[in-house]
Order: sequence, then structure tokens, then C-alpha cells
Amino acid sequence: SYVLTQPPSVSVAPGKTARITCGGNNIGTKSVHWYQQKPGQAPVLVLYYDSDRPSGIPERFSGSNSGDTATLTISRVEAGDEADYYCHVWDSNNDHVVFGGGTKLTVL
Amino acid sequence: QVEVVESGGGVVQPGTSLRVSCAASGFTFSPYAMHWVRQAPGKGLEWVAVISSDGSKKNYADSVKGRFTISRDNSKNMVYMQMNSLRTEDTAVYHCARDRQWLGDDALNIWGRGTIVSVSS
Repeated sequence: SYVLTQPPSVSVAPGKTARITCGGNNIGTKSVHWYQQKPGQAPVLVLYYDSDRPSGIPERFSGSNSGDTATLTISRVEAGDEADYYCHVWDSNNDHVVFGGGTKLTVL
Repeated sequence: QVEVVESGGGVVQPGTSLRVSCAASGFTFSPYAMHWVRQAPGKGLEWVAVISSDGSKKNYADSVKGRFTISRDNSKNMVYMQMNSLRTEDTAVYHCARDRQWLGDDALNIWGRGTIVSVSS
């Protein structure tokens, strides 16, 4: 089955840029979606189709996807961005949703 | 207000059954696939199952296949998950989520807060 690999944690100072990666075999050929989850809350979709933002998501959130790595980039990081972030693809070989293991973003 | 709200969770013993429900409101329900996603305590998201908009296609994670059954009632804007032969490792918050498309292969853009299922002897 398809596997997505994320770093367990990323730390960044306020105002800087955070990059969260999601690795998978030829992930560049798939559409990647990203979710933000704060403690005790439901996940929220922050990017879909690699880099499209749902309404209400700040332009500070952007994404890219090529080769074996997709990246969620958060510019001008704020304290309110501290959360767990998950990537997601559709495994068409098995008709399954696959989530990455999640990355805890800490704002220093 | 667009939302999905889960219910039906509880504390059950291993080997028993439980049905959790998801009520959708604020949007036209029938065109969208629906998913169940769970999260064990302190762990990440784990996809459980998806049902297409008309209920004709269902897919399950290997960890629940043969034990769990997803269904929907478009007349009531409801999604269900019948969980049989429950195991301690099924303990989790169970989230209902709406897909952006009809089949279930797109992003999940509406999530519920979840219902807690605890399997313990």
C-alpha cells in the first residue's frame, strides 16, 4: 500500500517561513491535500490539489508537489499556526485514502 | 450553517458492536461522498471508510474490512458506520467528513468534531 512520510516535528520562529514535507513514491503524479488540526478540534482543509486554498485560508499557506516530495509552506508564521498538519492522497491502486503520519508545528 | 455532527459513541467491551451516526446539515447532501476517519488517543489521522454519493461504492481500510460497514440515507442526510467485533485497537475519536466530489477520491472539506468510541474490558 502507498505510504506517506512526514517529519514528526518542525519548529519555526514567528514571522519566519515553515516548510512541512510529505514524501511518497512519485507523489508528484498525485493530488495532495493538507489539513491543519489544533488540539481538541476537528481537522481543517488548508490546501487541496497541491496548492489551492479553500476560502478563508490565508495566502500565507502555499504548496508544491514534485517528484517524491510535496511541501506545505507557511509564510510569516504566527502563533495561531501552531498545530498538527497532515497530508493526504488517494491511492488509486487500492481505492483508499492515505494520510501522512502528521507533523507537529511549534512556533518558538 | 454547513456542518456534520457525529453521535453514537460510547464505552463497549471487546467483541461487541456499536453503530455511530453522522448528521449533515446546511448543504445538499446527496451529491457528495462521505468518509469516516478515526484518531486514536495521541495518534494521527487514520482513514476508515468511504461511501460514494449514491451509496453504490464503498471502500474500507484493511484494519476494519469485514468488521465495519458504512452506509448512508440520502433522504435523511445521514451516514452510518456499523462496527462489529470491536477490538481495543478500535478505540478512537471517529470523525465524519465530506468529500469535495461524488466518488471519494478528493479532499475532505467539512469535518465533524467526532464521537468517542472506547473499547475496553
